[in-house]
Amino acid sequence: DTGVSQDPRHKITKRGQNVTFRCDPISEHNRLYWYRQTLGQGPEFLTYFQNEAQLEKSRLLSDRFSAERPKGSFSTLEIQRTEQGDSAMYLCASTHQANYGYTFGSGTRLTVV
Amino acid sequence: AQTVTQSQPEMSVQEAETVTLSCTYDTSESDYYLFWYKQPPSRQMILVIRQEAYKQQNATENRFSVNFQKAAKSFSLKISDSQLGDAAMYFCAYRTGSAGNKLVFGAGTILRVKS
Repeated sequence: DTGVSQDPRHKITKRGQNVTFRCDPISEHNRLYWYRQTLGQGPEFLTYFQNEAQLEKSRLLSDRFSAERPKGSFSTLEIQRTEQGDSAMYLCASTHQANYGYTFGSGTRLTVV
Repeated sequence: AQTVTQSQPEMSVQEAETVTLSCTYDTSESDYYLFWYKQPPSRQMILVIRQEAYKQQNATENRFSVNFQKAAKSFSLKISDSQLGDAAMYFCAYRTGSAGNKLVFGAGTILRVKS
């Protein structure tokens, strides 16, 4: 494994469009987390999965946001009807339940114009 | 809810000198972990050092060390012999020991290293 991969690295979209991001975690990590980071701020928790089960969602995750992790492998984060306020870096991280270390991906920077 | 506060938005240090970044946190848990992460501009977040709350001994990783004061809920990072490559945004983070184990981050401190 070469780490946590996120795709795309950058996404520019028009307001109102839908976007989908992908995260491929380290294969032996059963926990996967999504965070959102706005410019000059620390990352904020959005949601996490243990295997394929989504166990917690932040109040930041409005009903326009949906995340999936089919088969407990890669994960997708979809934003419907994007708004300018959705512009941010979306970070994915993975860890093993028994291991308290997180590995972060390089993130997907979303710009809504 | 747990909170993490980094009171220094920006710090500067001369190359080869020592700098300390501050972090305080608030929690009612007794079992938790604390981390410092480094995020260079437009690059991946990297773990610098971690501390288990049950350990009294302060963690060290080469030039990086922490001063963990559990009663005061303080967790500062000391960088010795600063190098140009240390320039980055540094985040203090708290990880709950309970289910979920999500990280709660501070707002970050920008560290500038002067040559």
